[in-house]
Amino acid sequence: AQKITQTQPGMFVQEKEAVTLDCTYDTSDPSYGLFWYKQPSSGEMIFLIYQGSYDQQNATEGRYSLNFQKARKSANLVISASQLGDSAMYFCATPRGAGRRALTFGSGTRLQVQP
Amino acid sequence: GAGVSQTPSNKVTEKGKYVELRCDPISGHTALYWYRQSLGQGPEFLIYFQGTGAADDSGLPNDRFFAVRPEGSVSTLKIQRTERGDSAVYLCASSLSSGNEQFFGPGTRLTVL
Repeated sequence: AQKITQTQPGMFVQEKEAVTLDCTYDTSDPSYGLFWYKQPSSGEMIFLIYQGSYDQQNATEGRYSLNFQKARKSANLVISASQLGDSAMYFCATPRGAGRRALTFGSGTRLQVQP
Repeated sequence: GAGVSQTPSNKVTEKGKYVELRCDPISGHTALYWYRQSLGQGPEFLIYFQGTGAADDSGLPNDRFFAVRPEGSVSTLKIQRTERGDSAVYLCASSLSSGNEQFFGPGTRLTVL
């Protein structure tokens, strides 16, 4: 079964600085994807970024980028120039298995951006 | 355009009662997912529909949980004989058949007293 591990329950970062949120995964599928979602205190899950296992380059979306290290089975999220509005829970996820499209989520990291 | 909507936003019920939670996906999205999120945890998969059929229901915890999507659009998650342990936020998401990104609704917070 697929497994996502997020080892940082909470992180603090100063406004305007960069922060890295860790995610390691365990999958036996030869082809897979990694997702990051943001969940503010209001509760909605917001898609941030996606990395396919065969993508040649690390994914980037605005201030978000993925540090994808396939050999280490890690897909860390990097947020550059943190803003107060980035304070939220962040979840890493991967599809539940070959042909399965529903996601397995990690336990999340609570990021707090300090002014 | 309209996003995924879920009703009710909050539901308080008593132990042993029956509840229905509704999800209205984004128009044109053929894939629909139900997840459950307990406090301090990540969402946990329950069931996935492709069109009208349940493509994967392996996440349903027991036979008290059931979901339908009769016309391939709106879905209803049904919980019989609710227990206090069923208290959680129930999230619905939808996606295009070929799409990677799942769009989530705001969730229904279920409290079983």
